[in-house]
Amino acid sequence: GAVVSQHPSRVICKSGTSVKIECRSLDFQATTMFWYRQFPKKSLMLMATSNEGSKATYEQGVEKDKFLINHASLTLSTLTVTSAHPEDSSFYICSARDNPNEQFFGPGTRLTVL
Amino acid sequence: DAKTTQPNSMESNEEEPVHLPCNHSTISGTDYIHWYRQLPSQGPEYVIHGLTSNVNNRMASLAIAEDRKSSTLILHRATLRDAAVYYCILRDFEGYQKVTFGTGTKLQVIP
Repeated sequence: GAVVSQHPSRVICKSGTSVKIECRSLDFQATTMFWYRQFPKKSLMLMATSNEGSKATYEQGVEKDKFLINHASLTLSTLTVTSAHPEDSSFYICSARDNPNEQFFGPGTRLTVL
Repeated sequence: DAKTTQPNSMESNEEEPVHLPCNHSTISGTDYIHWYRQLPSQGPEYVIHGLTSNVNNRMASLAIAEDRKSSTLILHRATLRDAAVYYCILRDFEGYQKVTFGTGTKLQVIP
């Protein structure tokens, strides 16, 4: 299957700082990418859907000004957690799709905010 | 969105077959049944999908009930590496729905 990478795999930051997470589709072009968040022992929760070249669509309850998503190219989407706080500590997973029936997931980024 | 219901957890002995059930009584005629699994501290990975007929691939088999209101993911010989959370998800035939996850079934494989 196709490969989706994320960088960094884990990050620790101080409260109040911003953190950027990159998601790349390595061997295919992804017109649509998705960002999920997962708390310990919980299921994945969809945060937003991003289409290349247009604004992301956020799920209800997700603050778009806090979680900035950019999908500037067909192989790269970024999630920036602005002014991070300890409650933003979570496992962030991106996903990319190259055709309607196949969706591939990245390995995840563990964010810890001190 | 059509919902799915799965048991929270299941256990299996190593080398034994495992049958993971999923109920989707409100499935529509154009919904595909997809299965993903998530190993600890990793992103989900695709396992299998089907519409009406049973499906086999190198990872697993998918048995779909005749009325399509339930399905079963079959791991023919569980290994310790199969210990994961297994998610059953419905997607429309065009696949343009975003993938949303339920609680899934946590499979424990006992050596």
